[in-house]
Amino acid sequence: DAGVIQSPRHEVTEMGQEVTLRCKPISGHDYLFWYRQTMMRGLELLIYFNNNVPIDDSGMPEDRFSAKMPNASFSTLKIQPSEPRDSAVYFCASASGQITEAFFGQGTRLTVV
Amino acid sequence: KNQVEQSPQSLIILEGKNCTLQCNYTVSPFSNLRWYKQDTGRGPVSLTIMTFSENTKSNGRYTATLDADTKQSSLHITASQLSDSASYICVGGYGQNFVFGPGTRLSVLP
Repeated sequence: DAGVIQSPRHEVTEMGQEVTLRCKPISGHDYLFWYRQTMMRGLELLIYFNNNVPIDDSGMPEDRFSAKMPNASFSTLKIQPSEPRDSAVYFCASASGQITEAFFGQGTRLTVV
Repeated sequence: KNQVEQSPQSLIILEGKNCTLQCNYTVSPFSNLRWYKQDTGRGPVSLTIMTFSENTKSNGRYTATLDADTKQSSLHITASQLSDSASYICVGGYGQNFVFGPGTRLSVLP
């Protein structure tokens, strides 16, 4: 398996534009997580899914952020409209079961100018 | 408030030396404690996962300990190598819902 695949690796966009980040989890994993990492705040959980159903989205900062998981092999995180303070590295991770290792993707570095 | 604290914030050691990183957590409910290694520009990679009933777990040169009574954990690295230079993140949580610490930045020098 190629691991968790995220795209794009880098994204530079202008303030106000819509940004869509994509994630393909490891096949067979039933948990999918979206995280944001900044120097100031470290790693923060935004939302996680179990069997394609959102379980906890309390970390989603505002209504500008939305996440979907239409099937077991694909998820998106959308920011609309984007703001400079959204600049961060966004990680997707997947896991199988309750207390198991979570595998992280390489991340998407988002810069909003 | 759920939180995880780590010390030191950063650490520099010489290759071949041992070191110990500390983690204090206030997480409820709590069922497991994890340590991740994150290389610059990469995603975190799991080193160990311990449930609340486990006291120690090893992964090669990495040994993690857990004291659920004092809510403390440590990560001991033996015979450090240059490739150990990374951030080490302590994570406490319940099931797959967890709180991340700020990390300890370790630099191993030749």
